Amino acid sequence: ILNVEQSPQSLHVQEGDSTNFTCSFPSSNFYALHWYRWETAKSPEALFVMTLNGDEKKKGRISATLNTKEGYSYLYIKGSQPEDSATYLCAPSVGTNAGKSTFGDGTTLTVKP
Amino acid sequence: NAGVTQTPKFQVLKTGQSMTLQCAQDMNHNSMYWYRQDPGMGLRLIYYSASEGTTDKGEVPNGYNVSRLNKREFSLRLESAAPSQTSVYFCASSTRTGATEAFFGQGTRLTVV
Repeated sequence: ILNVEQSPQSLHVQEGDSTNFTCSFPSSNFYALHWYRWETAKSPEALFVMTLNGDEKKKGRISATLNTKEGYSYLYIKGSQPEDSATYLCAPSVGTNAGKSTFGDGTTLTVKP
Repeated sequence: NAGVTQTPKFQVLKTGQSMTLQCAQDMNHNSMYWYRQDPGMGLRLIYYSASEGTTDKGEVPNGYNVSRLNKREFSLRLESAAPSQTSVYFCASSTRTGATEAFFGQGTRLTVV
């Protein structure tokens, strides 16, 4: 079982603020890292799959970076909107047994109008 | 396109009863997963199936069994339900274990009394 830490646990921001979260994981035997967005009463939806050190992904106002050598990934949201309110989960997988992705406990973002 | 379909959506069991949660995907995915989600915690992997005919334990397999019936279907069985198994259960699938995004079903809310 991987030790996956996400910080902060929760975040409250005003509409228009930019924000970022952190996902930390063991750097050895890295295989891939997933970011998911999970709205209340819905199912998790994939945002990004990242596999290479230095990888950067972007989808609209949301972007992510990956540092596999030091074992962390950042998720950025530019100009937060109320519809961005959700829990953001990261899930790294390591080693040859890549099916055993471990989810962090998530960062819950609340964007106030 | 239905994606990942789970049944039932809600279930109440008495301690000691058994039941099977059904999951089917229509995306021709090779890999399928069962997770549980408890309050304040992220998703924890119960079992997964990297491909048809194979299954493997995740983080929290005790008290559960799985069957990969064919490429489309992956069921989760509770042989003797316990209150500690009260949780929300999610089934997911992906094209390749660990390296591609997973698609989640809508979840099954199970209460064991």
